[in-house]
Amino acid sequence: LAKTTQPISMDSYEGQEVNITCSHNNIATNDYITWYQQFPSQGPRFIIQGYKTKVTNEVASLFIPADRKSSTLSLPRVSLSDTAVYYCLVVSGGFKTIFGAGTRLFVKA
Amino acid sequence: DAGVTQSPTHLIKTRGQQVTLRCSPKSGHDTVSWYQQALGQGPQFIFQYYEEEERQRGNFPDRFSGHQFPNYSSELNVNALLLGDSALYLCASSKDSFDTQYFGPGTRLTVL
Repeated sequence: LAKTTQPISMDSYEGQEVNITCSHNNIATNDYITWYQQFPSQGPRFIIQGYKTKVTNEVASLFIPADRKSSTLSLPRVSLSDTAVYYCLVVSGGFKTIFGAGTRLFVKA
Repeated sequence: DAGVTQSPTHLIKTRGQQVTLRCSPKSGHDTVSWYQQALGQGPQFIFQYYEEEERQRGNFPDRFSGHQFPNYSSELNVNALLLGDSALYLCASSKDSFDTQYFGPGTRLTVL
């Protein structure tokens, strides 16, 4: 199972774009990358998932370079309500999903 | 369409007791996974159920056991509770093991 490494914490201001990069050097050919958001005492909420290149949905974009050894979650124009912990996961067939420590994003007014 | 639901929301037990937590998966999902999340840490995988059988297990002792019913709902049982079992217990469901997992709100277990 590929291990992921992400910054422990990040600060930002309302209205800014936030980019959180995750490294996963040992990602396997069939693995894909998933990001979750979690607020205190709540279950993780699915944000976005991708295999390669770029994926965009209504809340975020996910950039994955050709070598797939890293990925970047991009949150456009963050608000105070985006303050949360963000987890990057490499999913290997889904049998055993491994969460790291996550990145604590703090958005200031 | 209801998402993943869990019960109870909160639970307080004493050391040595046994506890059962319940999970109903999202409609259309047949795979249920359980996670333990200690304060300040990421969720840790306990096990996954599919077709009423445990398919994969994380690094948890046999005190942790589970069950999946024909309607795909699931239970997590923990015997001989320890103080260190205090955590948020999360259930996640998916269409299969390769599909995105969707999490419930969790059950907060406190062991005194």
